[in-house]
Amino acid sequence: GNSVTQMEGPVTLSEEAFLTINCTYTATGYPSLFWYVQYPGEGLQLLLKATKADDKGSNKGFEATYRKETTSFHLEKGSVQVSDSAVYFCALIRGSTLGRLYFGRGTQLTVWP
Amino acid sequence: GAVVSQHPSRVICKSGTSVKIECRSLDFQATTMFWYRQFPKQSLMLMATSNEGSKATYEQGVEKDKFLINHASLTLSTLTVTSAHPEDSSFYICSARVGQGANEQYFGPGTRLTVT
Repeated sequence: GNSVTQMEGPVTLSEEAFLTINCTYTATGYPSLFWYVQYPGEGLQLLLKATKADDKGSNKGFEATYRKETTSFHLEKGSVQVSDSAVYFCALIRGSTLGRLYFGRGTQLTVWP
Repeated sequence: GAVVSQHPSRVICKSGTSVKIECRSLDFQATTMFWYRQFPKQSLMLMATSNEGSKATYEQGVEKDKFLINHASLTLSTLTVTSAHPEDSSFYICSARVGQGANEQYFGPGTRLTVT
């Protein structure tokens, strides 16, 4: 079946620290991979995506590379800010599942000044 | 572009009453809309998938008679929680997709339902 596994949080960092949130997936074929961010009390916003192997998605200083050989899509940022504090969800879509998103459990990130 | 709105953002209702939540795609036509439920500090649970003009497809374990979904047009889907109970209190989020397959989804801001 299709599933996403994220590292468990919460993750607490000081401002300007390096961030990695691990994400691995299980899926047959070639899924599209996404990172979504959820700020307190809000819905989800798409942070970045990658649709094929070796693609790198990037946005707002965040990056993630689609690694088919390790079935991973780890999220990284070189220097986090207090405003990055949020919950981050890794997700995948397979085209044959008519667009159903499979989410990881989410990782809470808190950045202290 | 690709904005999805939900109304209301927060609602408090009494046990036994029904509540309707609207999900609208503001600047695009959504062929498919999805309804999710999110418990505190947990991931999103897909409740149902709805396509315009057809019956919604519910996930296993979701009561279709309790959570009524109507996708009346390409820009509007509604979720009605009937005979609400306190355990229905949750954060409900909709998303909308253009086209088929692996196209990305755009999420609404969510509706916080509290049943007293």
